[in-house]
Amino acid sequence: AQKITQTQPGMFVQEKEAVTLDCTYDTSDQSYGLFWYKQPSSGEMIFLIYQGSYDEQNATEGRYSLNFQKARKSANLVISASQLGDSAMYFCAMREGKNNDMRFGAGTRLTVKP
Amino acid sequence: KAGVTQTPRYLIKTRGQQVTLSCSPISGHRSVSWYQQTPGQGLQFLFEYFSETQRNKGNFPGRFSGRQFSNSRSEMNVSTLELGDSALYLCASSLDSVVTPAVRQYFGPGTRLTVT
Repeated sequence: AQKITQTQPGMFVQEKEAVTLDCTYDTSDQSYGLFWYKQPSSGEMIFLIYQGSYDEQNATEGRYSLNFQKARKSANLVISASQLGDSAMYFCAMREGKNNDMRFGAGTRLTVKP
Repeated sequence: KAGVTQTPRYLIKTRGQQVTLSCSPISGHRSVSWYQQTPGQGLQFLFEYFSETQRNKGNFPGRFSGRQFSNSRSEMNVSTLELGDSALYLCASSLDSVVTPAVRQYFGPGTRLTVT
């Protein structure tokens, strides 16, 4: 069963505007972590933000924030003030309990327009 | 600190051959994980090594194997290559010895393998 679902294969946003990338997840564990990674065309996965299942506050890292809705099992990434360099693939990922394997969604390709 | 390095960056092999990919983690990191990324299957976990022991394994055939050395460097090997093994192979390292959901992994640039 798909554990991480990203329903937006591609998204466009105007430079300087905000954009939300959707992610829903499925787990029966109480303890889990949610991650967002950015993958430019070079291939390297760049860590953006982390949210723990027990964290009461939504995570923020600079222009990135995570809209965590635990009851809905969603962990949407919000990028504020988009920049041309934000154009890349974005992956939502989850690690459950004591497993060290990370499960990734299919990704969303974000294109920032000038 | 230097990041995770992977060699080679690009590789072309013929069906039936075998290949070895190398990953050097960030200094001090003892956990190394491997992932396969393909357009069809996306990112999939292969295996994870910690202190020279395989700690976790994904759902891949036995043709895929790995090992870790005492300096934490890791290699993965694919024997009897198939066309479907063409992929970007990513290595990630982490510092934590205890597995928790919060463990942050640092990824390398990947090795792009093409099987013809």
